[in-house]
Amino acid sequence: LAKTTQPISMDSYEGQEVNITCSHNNIATNDYITWYQQFPSQGPRFIIQGYKTKVTNEVASLFIPADRKSSTLSLPRVSLSDTAVYYCLVGDIGTGGFKTIFGAGTRLFVKA
Amino acid sequence: GEEVAQTPKHLVRGEGQKAKLYCAPIKGHSYVFWYQQVLKNEFKFLISFQNENVFDETGMPKERFSAKCLPNSPCSLEIQATKLEDSAVYFCASSPNNEQFFGPGTRLTVL
Repeated sequence: LAKTTQPISMDSYEGQEVNITCSHNNIATNDYITWYQQFPSQGPRFIIQGYKTKVTNEVASLFIPADRKSSTLSLPRVSLSDTAVYYCLVGDIGTGGFKTIFGAGTRLFVKA
Repeated sequence: GEEVAQTPKHLVRGEGQKAKLYCAPIKGHSYVFWYQQVLKNEFKFLISFQNENVFDETGMPKERFSAKCLPNSPCSLEIQATKLEDSAVYFCASSPNNEQFFGPGTRLTVL
């Protein structure tokens, strides 16, 4: 099972770009990389998912190097409402990968 | 759009009592997952279903925990004889593929 490692916390200011990196050295061939956002008293919310290279959607970008042993979530121009915990999850439903625990996540605090 | 529904929102039980949590997955999603989130934010996987069949139950403390996902009924997670350490938020997620959609969670407090 792939285990993920993320920084425990990060601080940023409104309007800045934030990059959160996740290490997953034991990622398997079939595993996808998925990032979730969680606010207090809510369930995690899907942000972005990728397999390799770069993925971009309306809220974030995900950079995955060729060896796939890490990934970086990029949040452009963060606002106060982006203060949350961000989780990196590596797995594949077909191979039972989602028994992998999320880990403690990265607590992002955006300041005015 | 549709959302995963979980009931109740809060549940308080005395130690040794039974607790039953419910989850209505999004229609059309084949997979259902149950996770336990404790104070340090870490999620512990409990069990997953593919339709009504158990897909992976390696995270379940089987002596007290059980779960079902029957056709045309909400999925359920039941804890017999709750213990203090069962106090946590229990999340259900449903998925059509590798993207999981989470419910709002049920906060269980065991006194």
